Amino acid sequence: DIQMTQSPASLSASLGETVTIECLASEDIYSNLAWYQQKPGKSPQLLIYYANSLNDGVPSRFSGSGSGTQYSLKINSLQSEDVSIYFCQQNYDSPPTFGGGTKLELK
Amino acid sequence: QVQLQQSGAELVKPGTSVKLSCKASGYTFTSNHMNWIKQTTGQGLEWIGIINPGSGGTSYNVKFKGKATLTVDKSSSTAFMQLSSLTPEDSAVYYCARDVSEDEYYFDYWGQGVMVTVSS
Repeated sequence: DIQMTQSPASLSASLGETVTIECLASEDIYSNLAWYQQKPGKSPQLLIYYANSLNDGVPSRFSGSGSGTQYSLKINSLQSEDVSIYFCQQNYDSPPTFGGGTKLELK
Repeated sequence: QVQLQQSGAELVKPGTSVKLSCKASGYTFTSNHMNWIKQTTGQGLEWIGIINPGSGGTSYNVKFKGKATLTVDKSSSTAFMQLSSLTPEDSAVYYCARDVSEDEYYFDYWGQGVMVTVSS
Protein backbone atom coordinates (compact mmCIF):
# COMPACT_ATOMS: atom_id res chain seq x y z
CA ASP A 1 0.00 0.00 0.00
CA ILE A 2 1.11 3.59 -0.64
CA GLN A 3 1.94 5.35 2.63
CA MET A 4 0.85 8.95 3.06
CA THR A 5 2.70 11.04 5.63
CA GLN A 6 1.34 14.41 6.69
CA SER A 7 3.15 17.20 8.48
CA PRO A 8 2.80 18.78 10.85
CA ALA A 9 0.53 16.59 12.97
CA SER A 10 -0.83 19.72 14.61
CA LEU A 11 -0.66 23.40 13.87
CA SER A 12 -1.67 26.55 15.69
CA ALA A 13 -2.21 29.75 13.72
CA SER A 14 -3.82 33.18 14.08
CA LEU A 15 -6.84 34.54 12.23
CA GLY A 16 -5.82 35.99 8.88
CA GLU A 17 -2.62 33.98 8.73
CA THR A 18 -1.61 31.73 5.85
CA VAL A 19 -1.01 28.07 6.72
CA THR A 20 0.47 25.22 4.73
CA ILE A 21 0.04 21.51 5.34
CA GLU A 22 2.31 18.99 3.64
CA CYS A 23 1.67 15.46 2.44
CA LEU A 24 4.37 13.05 1.33
CA ALA A 25 3.59 9.87 -0.60
CA SER A 26 5.81 6.79 -0.39
CA GLU A 27 5.93 6.69 -4.20
CA ASP A 28 4.94 8.85 -7.15
CA ILE A 29 1.15 9.27 -7.22
CA TYR A 30 1.05 11.47 -10.33
CA SER A 31 -1.15 14.18 -8.76
CA ASN A 32 -3.86 11.69 -7.82
CA LEU A 33 -4.38 13.36 -4.49
CA ALA A 34 -7.31 14.76 -2.55
CA TRP A 35 -7.62 16.90 0.56
CA TYR A 36 -10.47 16.60 3.05
CA GLN A 37 -11.58 18.79 5.94
CA GLN A 38 -13.17 17.22 9.00
CA LYS A 39 -14.75 19.62 11.46
CA PRO A 40 -15.22 18.44 15.06
CA GLY A 41 -17.94 15.81 15.29
CA LYS A 42 -18.62 15.88 11.55
CA SER A 43 -17.86 13.77 8.50
CA PRO A 44 -14.93 14.60 6.23
CA GLN A 45 -15.66 16.91 3.30
CA LEU A 46 -13.83 16.93 -0.01
CA LEU A 47 -11.91 20.16 -0.53
CA ILE A 48 -9.52 19.47 -3.40
CA TYR A 49 -9.01 16.65 -5.90
CA TYR A 50 -6.41 15.94 -8.56
CA ALA A 51 -4.01 17.83 -6.29
CA ASN A 52 -5.21 21.33 -7.25
CA SER A 53 -8.88 21.24 -8.35
CA LEU A 54 -11.22 22.97 -5.94
CA ASN A 55 -14.42 21.09 -5.18
CA ASP A 56 -17.69 22.95 -5.73
CA GLY A 57 -18.53 25.39 -2.96
CA VAL A 58 -15.07 25.38 -1.38
CA PRO A 59 -13.78 28.90 -0.64
CA SER A 60 -11.01 30.15 -2.89
CA ARG A 61 -8.71 30.71 0.09
CA PHE A 62 -8.03 26.96 -0.11
CA SER A 63 -5.55 25.79 -2.72
CA GLY A 64 -3.57 22.66 -3.47
CA SER A 65 -0.32 22.09 -5.25
CA GLY A 66 2.41 19.55 -5.75
CA SER A 67 3.55 16.70 -7.94
CA GLY A 68 5.36 13.41 -7.71
CA THR A 69 5.49 12.46 -4.07
CA GLN A 70 5.13 15.92 -2.46
CA TYR A 71 1.89 17.85 -2.08
CA SER A 72 0.61 20.74 -0.04
CA LEU A 73 -2.62 22.39 1.03
CA LYS A 74 -2.53 26.14 1.58
CA ILE A 75 -5.15 28.14 3.43
CA ASN A 76 -4.94 31.89 2.92
CA SER A 77 -6.38 34.34 5.41
CA LEU A 78 -7.33 31.78 8.05
CA GLN A 79 -10.91 31.99 9.31
CA SER A 80 -12.35 30.63 12.55
CA GLU A 81 -14.44 28.10 10.63
CA ASP A 82 -11.25 26.54 9.25
CA VAL A 83 -10.50 24.91 12.61
CA SER A 84 -10.56 21.26 11.60
CA ILE A 85 -8.52 18.19 10.94
CA TYR A 86 -7.21 17.97 7.38
CA PHE A 87 -6.45 14.70 5.61
CA CYS A 88 -4.73 13.94 2.35
CA GLN A 89 -5.66 10.84 0.34
CA GLN A 90 -4.14 9.19 -2.71
CA ASN A 91 -6.23 7.44 -5.32
CA TYR A 92 -3.42 6.48 -7.69
CA ASP A 93 -3.30 2.89 -6.53
CA SER A 94 -5.70 0.59 -4.71
CA PRO A 95 -6.35 0.61 -1.86
CA PRO A 96 -6.78 4.37 -1.60
CA THR A 97 -4.92 5.50 1.51
CA PHE A 98 -5.09 8.52 3.78
CA GLY A 99 -2.57 10.58 5.67
CA GLY A 100 -2.71 10.62 9.45
CA GLY A 101 -4.26 14.06 9.58
CA THR A 102 -3.23 17.58 10.61
CA LYS A 103 -5.13 19.23 13.43
CA LEU A 104 -5.45 22.98 12.85
CA GLU A 105 -6.24 25.16 15.83
CA LEU A 106 -6.47 28.88 16.43
CA LYS A 107 -3.72 30.58 18.35
CA GLN B 1 -29.48 17.72 -2.51
CA VAL B 2 -27.36 14.62 -2.13
CA GLN B 3 -27.76 12.96 1.24
CA LEU B 4 -26.43 9.72 2.69
CA GLN B 5 -28.35 8.73 5.81
CA GLN B 6 -26.70 6.04 7.89
CA SER B 7 -28.26 3.80 10.52
CA GLY B 8 -27.77 4.38 14.23
CA ALA B 9 -25.01 3.49 16.65
CA GLU B 10 -24.46 -0.18 17.46
CA LEU B 11 -23.26 -1.88 20.62
CA VAL B 12 -22.47 -5.49 19.76
CA LYS B 13 -20.80 -8.46 21.40
CA PRO B 14 -17.53 -10.00 20.24
CA GLY B 15 -17.96 -12.81 17.74
CA THR B 16 -21.26 -11.52 16.39
CA SER B 17 -22.08 -9.66 13.16
CA VAL B 18 -23.64 -6.30 12.43
CA LYS B 19 -25.22 -4.87 9.28
CA LEU B 20 -24.98 -1.13 8.66
CA SER B 21 -27.13 0.75 6.19
CA CYS B 22 -26.67 3.90 4.12
CA LYS B 23 -29.74 5.32 2.38
CA ALA B 24 -28.96 7.59 -0.56
CA SER B 25 -31.16 10.39 -1.85
CA GLY B 26 -30.92 13.40 -4.12
CA TYR B 27 -29.21 11.63 -7.03
CA THR B 28 -29.52 8.53 -9.19
CA PHE B 29 -28.27 5.76 -6.91
CA THR B 30 -26.76 3.69 -9.70
CA SER B 31 -24.76 6.59 -11.21
CA ASN B 32 -22.04 6.61 -8.56
CA HIS B 33 -20.21 3.84 -6.80
CA MET B 34 -20.37 3.70 -3.01
CA ASN B 35 -17.42 3.33 -0.69
CA TRP B 36 -17.15 2.39 2.97
CA ILE B 37 -14.47 3.88 5.19
CA LYS B 38 -13.42 3.12 8.77
CA GLN B 39 -12.19 5.81 11.16
CA THR B 40 -10.44 5.16 14.43
CA THR B 41 -8.34 7.39 16.63
CA GLY B 42 -5.36 5.08 16.35
CA GLN B 43 -5.45 4.00 12.70
CA GLY B 44 -7.04 7.07 11.17
CA LEU B 45 -9.05 6.62 7.99
CA GLU B 46 -9.02 3.25 6.22
CA TRP B 47 -10.79 2.40 2.98
CA ILE B 48 -12.78 -0.81 3.30
CA GLY B 49 -14.24 -1.34 -0.15
CA ILE B 50 -16.43 -0.13 -2.97
CA ILE B 51 -19.63 -1.37 -4.56
CA ASN B 52 -21.21 -0.65 -7.93
CA PRO B 53 -24.90 -0.18 -7.10
CA GLY B 54 -25.90 -0.99 -10.65
CA SER B 55 -24.25 -4.37 -10.96
CA GLY B 56 -23.53 -5.23 -7.33
CA GLY B 57 -19.88 -5.68 -8.22
CA THR B 58 -17.46 -5.12 -5.36
CA SER B 59 -13.80 -4.53 -4.63
CA TYR B 60 -12.28 -4.81 -1.17
CA ASN B 61 -9.18 -3.71 0.64
CA VAL B 62 -7.30 -6.95 1.28
CA LYS B 63 -7.23 -6.04 4.95
CA PHE B 64 -11.04 -6.22 5.14
CA LYS B 65 -11.70 -9.26 2.95
CA GLY B 66 -13.64 -11.74 5.02
CA LYS B 67 -14.51 -9.02 7.52
CA ALA B 68 -16.78 -6.78 5.43
CA THR B 69 -19.46 -7.68 2.88
CA LEU B 70 -20.97 -4.93 0.76
CA THR B 71 -24.41 -5.16 -0.81
CA VAL B 72 -27.09 -2.83 -2.13
CA ASP B 73 -30.86 -2.73 -2.51
CA LYS B 74 -31.55 -0.69 -5.63
CA SER B 75 -35.27 -0.53 -4.92
CA SER B 76 -34.64 1.52 -1.77
CA SER B 77 -31.37 3.21 -2.87
CA THR B 78 -29.66 1.74 0.15
CA ALA B 79 -26.15 0.38 0.54
CA PHE B 80 -25.28 -2.08 3.27
CA MET B 81 -22.11 -3.27 4.93
CA GLN B 82 -22.06 -6.38 7.06
CA LEU B 83 -19.17 -6.82 9.47
CA SER B 84 -18.62 -10.32 10.77
CA SER B 85 -16.72 -12.06 13.59
CA LEU B 86 -16.47 -8.77 15.41
CA THR B 87 -13.59 -8.05 17.80
CA PRO B 88 -12.82 -4.95 19.87
CA GLU B 89 -10.48 -3.87 17.02
CA ASP B 90 -13.58 -3.39 14.86
CA SER B 91 -14.83 -0.66 17.20
CA ALA B 92 -14.82 2.48 15.06
CA VAL B 93 -16.89 5.01 13.21
CA TYR B 94 -17.91 3.68 9.81
CA TYR B 95 -18.81 5.98 6.94
CA CYS B 96 -20.41 5.38 3.59
CA ALA B 97 -19.02 7.80 1.04
CA ARG B 98 -20.13 8.38 -2.52
CA ASP B 99 -17.54 8.07 -5.24
CA VAL B 100 -17.43 11.15 -7.50
CA SER B 101 -18.07 8.77 -10.39
CA GLU B 102 -17.15 5.15 -11.03
CA ASP B 103 -14.00 3.96 -9.29
CA GLU B 104 -12.45 7.43 -9.08
CA TYR B 105 -11.87 6.87 -5.37
CA TYR B 106 -12.54 10.50 -4.57
CA PHE B 107 -15.35 10.79 -2.02
CA ASP B 108 -17.60 13.79 -2.54
CA TYR B 109 -20.46 13.04 -0.14
CA TRP B 110 -20.24 11.22 3.16
CA GLY B 111 -22.83 9.82 5.51
CA GLN B 112 -22.91 11.10 9.06
CA GLY B 113 -21.07 8.01 10.26
CA VAL B 114 -22.12 5.25 12.61
CA MET B 115 -20.24 4.31 15.72
CA VAL B 116 -19.85 0.59 16.26
CA THR B 117 -18.73 -0.51 19.70
CA VAL B 118 -17.70 -4.12 20.19
CA SER B 119 -17.79 -5.05 23.84
CA SER B 120 -18.95 -7.89 26.02
